[in-house]
This record gives sequence, C-alpha cells and structure tokens, in this order.
Amino acid sequence: KAGVTQTPRYLIKTRGQQVTLSCSPISGHRSVSWYQQTPGQGLQFLFEYFSETQRNKGNFPGRFSGRQFSNSRSEMNVSTLELGDSALYLCASSLSTTNEKLFFGSGTQLSVL
Amino acid sequence: GENVEQHPSTLSVQEGDSAVIKCTYSDSASNYFPWYKQELGKGPQLIIDIRSNVGEKKDQRIAVTLNKTAKHFSLHITETQPEDSAVYFCAASEGGGADGLTFGKGTHLIIQP
Repeated sequence: KAGVTQTPRYLIKTRGQQVTLSCSPISGHRSVSWYQQTPGQGLQFLFEYFSETQRNKGNFPGRFSGRQFSNSRSEMNVSTLELGDSALYLCASSLSTTNEKLFFGSGTQLSVL
Repeated sequence: GENVEQHPSTLSVQEGDSAVIKCTYSDSASNYFPWYKQELGKGPQLIIDIRSNVGEKKDQRIAVTLNKTAKHFSLHITETQPEDSAVYFCAASEGGGADGLTFGKGTHLIIQP
C-alpha cells in the first residue's frame, strides 16, 4: 500500500511569490491535515480537510490556504511569500477526523529567498 | 489552547540501555497522546499512542505511560539499538480533533555504540 505522497520534494521561491504544494493521501483515507515544521517553532497545525471541506484551521494568516478534491488529494497554497515561510510542510492522512493514527508524508522543503 | 512541553531536548544512551522521554500537557480535555519518530529526510512516523482511559501501553521494546492527574506522559524504549537514533515527538489532542495535534519540541535520541 502506497504511503502519503508529497510533491515537489524541494522548492525555492522568492519573497512575494506564491506556491502550491500537493499531497496524495493513502488510498481510502479521507482526512488530510497539513503541518508546518521549523527549527524554532517545531511542528504546527495548519489545517485539516475531510470530504472536500476544511474542518479546522490553525493559527496562521490568511495567506495560507488549501483545498481538497473529490479523490481526497489536497493542495495547500501560500501567497505573498515571506522569508519566515521557509519550512518543511508536511501532509498527513488518516481514516477519521479525530487526529488519531496520522500517517505523514516526507514533506516539501520550501526555501524563500 | 493546548501546550506540550517535552524533555530532554537531547538524550544520549549506550546501546542496550533504556531511554525515557517525558512530556507534560496543559489542557485537561486532551485525551489522545501519540508518539512519533522522525528520521533525517523523512516525515514523522507514529510508533505508539495512548488514550486517556488507559494508563500504560506496550509494543515490544516501546511503552508509553500516562498520568492524567499530573498531566504527563512518557515514552520508554528498552534495549536500545542503533536504529532507534532519531528525533522523537510527543503530541496531544482533544477528542474530535478540533485543533489538530499539538506537538512537543522533540527529543534527539542518540544511541552510542
């Protein structure tokens, strides 16, 4: 069974640009969550999608957004990039919406120059 | 919101010895406590989890204990092996998953040969 797939693996952008990251969950998983990982702040919850609806959102500005498609694949978008957005962005999928048994992908490493 | 403190930040043990990582949480409503292992270049991998109605859970060399009264939980790894070297994260979540998982800052476990 294939795991969670995130693309691209690495991204380099400049300030002010926007970026879209993609996540394909484990087959059969309908919940997709996104987390930001930085050395200073650690792992922080961005948002969760289930059945194409955003259920919850963490404490991040509106520049961070996402969506989920009917096949459960998800994308997250960051507009007007700032230097502080440099981070590893992790996607996790699960069967339910209770935060239990999350399976993480390897992440997308975003560098903002 | 929930706050999770994790100690120590770095732990070095001799191969074959035991390792213990401790976490405390602040929100008494939290009822799910997973532990994740993250190896270099990979996403976090769930290694064991516990719910608040259980005091202890074991899986081969790994065990987790939970003290709801004191709001702390611990990861115990016995007979450590070189492949146990990684960063370990504890997390907490309120049932229903409203705010995602709240993670500790991580413990870098180093197994000395």
